[in-house]
Amino acid sequence: QVTLKESGPVLVKPTETLTLTCTVSGFSLSNARMGVTWIRQPPGKALEWLAHISSNDEKYYSTSLKSRLTISKDTSKSHVVLTMTNMDPVDTATYYCARTHWLTLHNWFDPWGQGILVTVSS
Amino acid sequence: DIHMTQSPSSLSASVGDRVTITCRANQSISNYLNWYQQKPGKAPKLLIYGATSLQSGVPSRFSGSGSGTDFTLTITSLQPEDFATYCCQQSYSTRMYTFGQGTKLEIK
Repeated sequence: QVTLKESGPVLVKPTETLTLTCTVSGFSLSNARMGVTWIRQPPGKALEWLAHISSNDEKYYSTSLKSRLTISKDTSKSHVVLTMTNMDPVDTATYYCARTHWLTLHNWFDPWGQGILVTVSS
Repeated sequence: DIHMTQSPSSLSASVGDRVTITCRANQSISNYLNWYQQKPGKAPKLLIYGATSLQSGVPSRFSGSGSGTDFTLTITSLQPEDFATYCCQQSYSTRMYTFGQGTKLEIK
C-alpha cells in the first residue's frame, strides 16, 4: 500500500522559513516511474502546485514561488523535504505531498498525503 | 503558464441526476488532463487521468472526455457520496502544473 504523510510545524511566524517533510512508504523514491510533488490549498481556495522532484533528482518549481522554494529528497530515508523561505500570512494553507505517477508521457498525482495545515501568524 | 478554467463554479443536483463539469485550457494540452474529487477536510482523490482513463477503483458512473482545450467530466446517476468538489489539472507542462479553480457539486 502506497502512503505519504506530511510533517512539520503547524504554526510559523512571518519571515520565518518553513520546512516540511513528506515520508513515503510502499514505493521507492528511486523508481523511474515515480516522483513526489508538493501542492498547497489556502482555506476555501483552489489547489496550487508548488514543486516536483523526480526519481533522477530533476527538480521543478512554480514560476511564481521559485525564488522561495527548495525541494530535496533522501532516498534512504524515503523523505522528500520542501523548504519555503520568508513566510507570509498569505502562505497559510494546507500543504499536501503526492506521488507523481508516470505512464508513458502521462503523469498524475496519486495518492496524496492527508495534508498539514500551516498557519502563518505572529 | 497554462491557465485552466472550470465551469460552473458550483452546481446543484439531485441523487440520480447526470451532471457535466467543463474544464478549458488556454492552449492545447492534447489529452494531458486529470480530474480529482475532493471532499471537505480531505485530500484530493484521482478520478480520471489522460482525459479519459478511469483510475482503478473509481466507479464507472464517472467518465471523462475531450482533447485539445476543452474537457468534460460526466457523472451519471449521482450518488450521495458524489457530492464534493471536482478539480481538473493539466499535466502537459510538467515544469509548471496547474489546476482549475474547482467545481462544488451540492445537493439540490
